[in-house]
Amino acid sequence: ETGVTQTPRHLVMGMTNKKSLKCEQHLGHNAMYWYKQSAKKPLELMFVYSLEERVENNSVPSRFSPECPNSSHLFLHLHTLQPEDSALYLCASSLHDSSFEQYFGPGTRLTVT
Amino acid sequence: AQKITQTQPGMFVQEKEAVTLDCTYDTSDQSYGLFWYKQPSSGEMIFLIYQGSYDEQNATEGRYSLNFQKARKSANLVISASQLGDSAMYFCAMREGDAGGTSYGKLTFGQGTILTVHP
Repeated sequence: ETGVTQTPRHLVMGMTNKKSLKCEQHLGHNAMYWYKQSAKKPLELMFVYSLEERVENNSVPSRFSPECPNSSHLFLHLHTLQPEDSALYLCASSLHDSSFEQYFGPGTRLTVT
Repeated sequence: AQKITQTQPGMFVQEKEAVTLDCTYDTSDQSYGLFWYKQPSSGEMIFLIYQGSYDEQNATEGRYSLNFQKARKSANLVISASQLGDSAMYFCAMREGDAGGTSYGKLTFGQGTILTVHP
């Protein structure tokens, strides 16, 4: 148990669907992150939130929309995705955005059909 | 150019033996951090060990040690006395940060190495 939970663990959606991924951290951290892990590609940082404010958007398409309503919760809203968006989406948190250690959740395995 | 390079797609080791997983990095920053993470088949990334660019001693955490060679820009992970539970994907990552600035926790990951421990 890492203290970072993600739901759902698996998601299959069509290209016209709208869905959301949820991440919750129980560690009292102030920074949260979304990463994308595609097959045969390195883990890619998507978004960084620090104290509920987005501080980094790593050139992510607008069909991915993050939301951080408070320091414990992070969402990734998905809309009109493409099959190449199928991947493992990992959430992480750290005490501060300058902290070295990031704690990861178990990920959501997304398949876009 | 890739910032983190892991040249070993897969490695095999006998239980109780030591294994070294290679990682080289590329940065022009003077201040940076190097990390190793373990990803079991369940998916979560587990932090193993950290080495700061100014640390003179190699980092160690239990059976994990980081062989940091700054001039060669390498940060190899050494796992001693391998166990069956060590079978997983291992990622090397780097966080760059100039003095007085912040990289907002941005980690750059390598491609990963799949380690298989044989009984």
